Amino acid sequence: QVQLVQSGAEVKKPGASMKVSCKASGYTFTDCHLHWVRQAPGQGLEWMGWINPNTGYTNYAQNFQGRVTMTRDTSISTAYMELSRLKSDDTAVYYCARGGIYCNGGDCHSPSDSWGQGTLVTVSS
Amino acid sequence: DTQMTQSPSSLSASVGDRVTITCRASQGISNYLAWYQQKPGKVPKLLIYAASTLQSGVPSRFSGGGSGTDFTLTISSLQPEDVATYYCQKYNGAPRTFGHGTKVEIK
Repeated sequence: QVQLVQSGAEVKKPGASMKVSCKASGYTFTDCHLHWVRQAPGQGLEWMGWINPNTGYTNYAQNFQGRVTMTRDTSISTAYMELSRLKSDDTAVYYCARGGIYCNGGDCHSPSDSWGQGTLVTVSS
Repeated sequence: DTQMTQSPSSLSASVGDRVTITCRASQGISNYLAWYQQKPGKVPKLLIYAASTLQSGVPSRFSGGGSGTDFTLTISSLQPEDVATYYCQKYNGAPRTFGHGTKVEIK
């Protein structure tokens, strides 16, 4: 079965960087985009961007441009999300999520069908 | 960017009630719309994609509809285990914006 296992919780100081990993199993890692979504305490879901594990191509949300870097290591089926210049309002649970592919004839859809368990990152001085 | 507006932001209904949540896109997104359920303290779970296709394993009391800009998620008979926050998300290109969520509680 598809499984995404993320790295553990982190505490960071303002101005520092964080890097979360997401190890995929149960499917071919390079077949599906990997998305990153975050959720601040008591708040909704915020899409951060995606990486194509096959090519390494990335697409970042405007809110994170210049601060986020998504990478992958296909040899170990692992994706990474690095966020720099952390602020207190970056305190959140960070999720990776697979963009599954569902096609009916030529009509294809890619919702986020499997999610990692989440990684809590706390930014505090 | 396309904005996704959900309503209501919260609702309280009785067990067995029919519940409908609405999601409106500021621009047409065809049927590239998913619904997720997030129970308290848990990871989001995909319920519906392509606006109306039930994800495998999701109870049939959940259904989705709509196309273009207006979408609905309906729970035909609310159950205690349906207490959660529900999010819509567009996925026809970036950014893949989520709605702000609808919190569903039992009266």
